[in-house]
Amino acid sequence: NAGVTQTPKFQVLKTGQSMTLQCAQDMNHEYMSWYRQDPGMGLRLIHYSVGAGITDQGEVPNGYNVSRSTTEDFPLRLLSAAPSQTSVYFCASSYTETGKNIQYFGAGTRLSVL
Amino acid sequence: AQSVTQLGSHVSVSEGALVLLRCNYSSSVPPYLFWYVQYPNQGLQLLLKYTSAATLVKGINGFEAEFKKSETSFHLTKPSAHMSDAAEYFCAVSDQNDYKLSFGAGTTVTVRA
Repeated sequence: NAGVTQTPKFQVLKTGQSMTLQCAQDMNHEYMSWYRQDPGMGLRLIHYSVGAGITDQGEVPNGYNVSRSTTEDFPLRLLSAAPSQTSVYFCASSYTETGKNIQYFGAGTRLSVL
Repeated sequence: AQSVTQLGSHVSVSEGALVLLRCNYSSSVPPYLFWYVQYPNQGLQLLLKYTSAATLVKGINGFEAEFKKSETSFHLTKPSAHMSDAAEYFCAVSDQNDYKLSFGAGTTVTVRA
């Protein structure tokens, strides 16, 4: 069972470039989310989705777009990268049923914006 | 809105000593509480969770945590630290009827030989 798979593992961008971080899960989870991790700040929620065709903003959504066309995939798009988006990005998924909402995390994407 | 505060960004313990990581939460409704561990260059792994059943929760790798409503706390303990416990630990909270997590800032544990 692959779980939550994120690609790429590492990425370096120049300011103004765009890119898509990929996230896929094979557990048939309804809920998927993106977090960014910065030193001393824990994980902050960027965007989340409760099912195909449904997305919503989290705590820090500016500069990022998401879409959810299938249950399995939840890509995160950086429209015009800025140095402030240098971070480690984690994708997570879970069931939405109460008591089963344990989130499983991918291994992360380490992004540097120069 | 939910929030958690982890007291102490770094904890250093000797091998074999007690590990105690503190977490206090703020919630207007009964919460679900979680502890996650992150080893270097890896994702987060669930250690244990409180979902309104037993207040003393046992997790993996010998860790346990106790939910204390009167103190709004969910501290994580392990009686005897092992070198492999060196990692960053995150406390997180959600509403019982929600799936969005709010994370604390994290506590980095180092284990001295």
